[in-house]
Amino acid sequence: QVQLQESGPGLVKPSETLSLTCTVSGYSINSAYHWGWIRQPPGKGLEWIGSISHSGSPDYNPSLKSRVTISVDTSKSQFSLKLRSVTAADTAVYYCARDPSSNSWYYFDYWGQGTLVTVSS
Amino acid sequence: DIVMTQSPDSLAVSLGERATINCKSSQSVLYSSNNKNYLAWYQQKPGQPPKLLIYWASTRESGVPDRFSGSGSGTDFTLSISSLQAEDVAVYYCQQYYGTPLTFGGGTKVDIK
Repeated sequence: QVQLQESGPGLVKPSETLSLTCTVSGYSINSAYHWGWIRQPPGKGLEWIGSISHSGSPDYNPSLKSRVTISVDTSKSQFSLKLRSVTAADTAVYYCARDPSSNSWYYFDYWGQGTLVTVSS
Repeated sequence: DIVMTQSPDSLAVSLGERATINCKSSQSVLYSSNNKNYLAWYQQKPGQPPKLLIYWASTRESGVPDRFSGSGSGTDFTLSISSLQAEDVAVYYCQQYYGTPLTFGGGTKVDIK
């Protein structure tokens, strides 16, 4: 059974960098498929942040592209999100998820439980 | 960006009755080379991550009850719950994956009448 678990600080100060890691178990992260980050502000809808292929090629939402880096560490079965220069508007539940495509960006079939990140001084 | 618009924002349906949720994309998400609609549906219950219900507009994910069905093509899609159960109370989202950025609809909240 594929499982994903987000980890990282729950509180980040404005202008600093939000860093989250997703640990994948039950599946070899470098075998195939893609891996993504999605966020959800409290009481609002879902926003795709970006995704990365099993080979390490990322794609980002243009609305966040200048501030986002997604990377993969296959040796640790993890992929990570860095979001720079955060503001209160970045307060959200952040989800990591698996995209079962091997050559494009599709939908997400397995999700982590999500982690709430609050941006506040 | 492809904008996904869901309607209604919320609906209340009696137990055992049909619930219908609509999703409209700002451009076609039908890929002509393979005749597939790049559209998925999710269910999200309070405090939980979204759960994939439907992909390719009408293919039910493994383990999803057959009372959930997806239909439509091009720019207009529908998620139907044929006989609403108490456990179906949730917010439902559509998502297009025809192009990046991947985009979601605003969500439709389904309650019991």
